[in-house]
Amino acid sequence: QKEVEQNSGPLSVPEGAIASLNCTYSDRVSQSFFWYRQYSGKSPELIMSIYSNGDKEDGRFTAQLNKASQYVSLLIRDSQPSDSATYLCAVKGRGSTLGRLYFGRGTQLTVWP
Amino acid sequence: EPEVTQTPSHQVTQMGQEVILRCVPISNHLYFYWYRQILGQKVEFLVSFYNNEISEKSEIFDDQFSVERPDGSNFTLKIRSTKLEDSAMYFCASSVREGIGSYEQYFGPGTRLTVT
Repeated sequence: QKEVEQNSGPLSVPEGAIASLNCTYSDRVSQSFFWYRQYSGKSPELIMSIYSNGDKEDGRFTAQLNKASQYVSLLIRDSQPSDSATYLCAVKGRGSTLGRLYFGRGTQLTVWP
Repeated sequence: EPEVTQTPSHQVTQMGQEVILRCVPISNHLYFYWYRQILGQKVEFLVSFYNNEISEKSEIFDDQFSVERPDGSNFTLKIRSTKLEDSAMYFCASSVREGIGSYEQYFGPGTRLTVT
């Protein structure tokens, strides 16, 4: 069973701060990683994907991947109250489970004005 | 921007009844998925579908479940005899390709299934 672990939070940051969300995964040969945002009662919304070690930036979001440490993170710069949501880390399967996404439980983020 | 759509948004059914959840994937996508999320729990994979066949299914996807692409646009999930524990949000997702690499899956808005 592939495990994806996230701190459940809640993580609370003031508006304008950097929010840092972390995720670890158990299958060391995993190669594709995704961050989704989920507002309460809504569906997961893709924020970023990352495939290679290092950083990937998209606007206020930066995903970081360290395969040696089996660690993925998401940084949100200049956090806004509208960023308040649950952030889901997802790892793609491999081999016979190549299409499947394995999700963590999510980290609840609150950005206060 | 193209998006995945799902109907109905909320379905209430009695235990033992059959339900069909419908999805229209993004038009140029070839791979289709169903996930579910029980309230307060993780999003869980149910099944993937490609070229009119199931590619993969999880241990959750037992004989009570089936999927179908009845025409060129719809993708359906049928639960034959619903149980109380089937109550969950059901999400359809699609991707343009599947394989090693960052082939993103895009999720629909979900159907909330309530079994009474």
